[in-house]
Parts: sequence; structure tokens; C-alpha cells
Amino acid sequence: AQSVTQLDSQVPVFEEAPVELRCNYSSSVSVYLFWYVQYPNQGLQLLLKYLSGSTLVESINGFEAEFNKSQTSFHLRKPSVHISDTAEYFCAVSPMIKAAGNKLTFGGGTRVLVKP
Amino acid sequence: GAGVSQSPSNKVTEKGKDVELRCDPISGHTALYWYRQSLGQGLEFLIYFQGNSAPDKSGLPSDRFSAERTGGSVSTLTIQRTQQEDSAVYLCASTFNPSSGNTIYFGEGSWLTVV
Repeated sequence: AQSVTQLDSQVPVFEEAPVELRCNYSSSVSVYLFWYVQYPNQGLQLLLKYLSGSTLVESINGFEAEFNKSQTSFHLRKPSVHISDTAEYFCAVSPMIKAAGNKLTFGGGTRVLVKP
Repeated sequence: GAGVSQSPSNKVTEKGKDVELRCDPISGHTALYWYRQSLGQGLEFLIYFQGNSAPDKSGLPSDRFSAERTGGSVSTLTIQRTQQEDSAVYLCASTFNPSSGNTIYFGEGSWLTVV
């Protein structure tokens, strides 16, 4: 079984300041790692994912996340946030087992409120 | 359509009534998932379909919940004898190939309120 912990339920941040959203996971098998974003009144959208290779992955809108196997973490960062980054961010994992069907286990989410 | 489509987008029902929620996955996607998003419970997996069969229905919270998928496409989630604790957003998602970490695409959800 897998579990995902997002340590911060809410993160207020000023515009143009950096932000880091923490994510730790637990799993008895290797996992793929994902960050999804949910903008107000919208559905979940994939922000970025780690499958293999370089442990640093980036999104098209300036977010990056680093997979740390020893610490079982996949923290999300952005060096300078915009008002439009106000959203809820979900960390998720899925086991590298075909029979699992790519089933996602989500963390509790972190609400980011960007203030002008 | 281009994305996962869900209907109704909003549903208010009386306690004890049955409800059906519909999901149209992205064309060609073989795998389909139902999740529930509620305050205090976060995002919970309900059931996974590969084609028309459900290899994993471990997340269905009680026997009042059931789901089916026909023609390898449309899926319906049925909740019988609804209770207030069933109030939540029900999210449907799909992916082309449920392996190798392929991206799973979500619909905008069906908001269910049981009064």
C-alpha cells in the first residue's frame, strides 16, 4: 500500500516570492510520482511527473520538483510565484506494478494563496 | 470532446434517493477511474476499469455504491439510498494505457449534495 503526506495544508505567499510545497510518501514498492494542480472551480490538471532518469523535473510554467529516494520526498518549488498560481496542489504516487493499473494515491493537498 | 466529460455537473438529491453519475472518457482511453473528493477525506480512489471489467473496486465505500462501464467507453457510478455523508465531488479520470506512469486525465467532476 502507498500513502502520501503533504505537510502543509495552506501556504500563503506574496507575489514574486519563492514557494516550496512538501510531499513525502511511503510505499513498499517503487512508485511513479506526480503533482496535480486544481485551480478554483476547475478539475485536476497534471503539473509534472517523475518516472525515471533525472531526479529534477520541470513544468512549463516554472515549477520544478526533485525526487529524493533516500528521503522518500518529492517537494515542489517555484522561485517566483504569480497571482495566477493560486490553487490547490496535490502530490500523488502510483506503484510501478502493472496489475495496479496506475492507480493514484493522493496527499491531502496544499492550498497556495498568492497575495499581491 | 477533447477531455473527460462528466454529467451532471451539479446534483442535489434528497436523502434516500438513488443517483447516477455519468462519465465519458477521452476517446481511445482504455482505463477509467472514479475518485471522490470531500472535505476532510481528500481525494479517495473508488474504482478502476480496464475495458469493461473492474480489476480494482477496493475503494467503493459500501454496497450502496456500484459502477459499470459499457462498450469500453461510458461509465456510470450509481449511489443507492443516498446519505448525507455521500455529499462530495465525484471525479472521473481516464488514461490510454494504465501502465508506465502514463498521465491520467481528470474531468471537472460531479458535485453531489444530499439534503
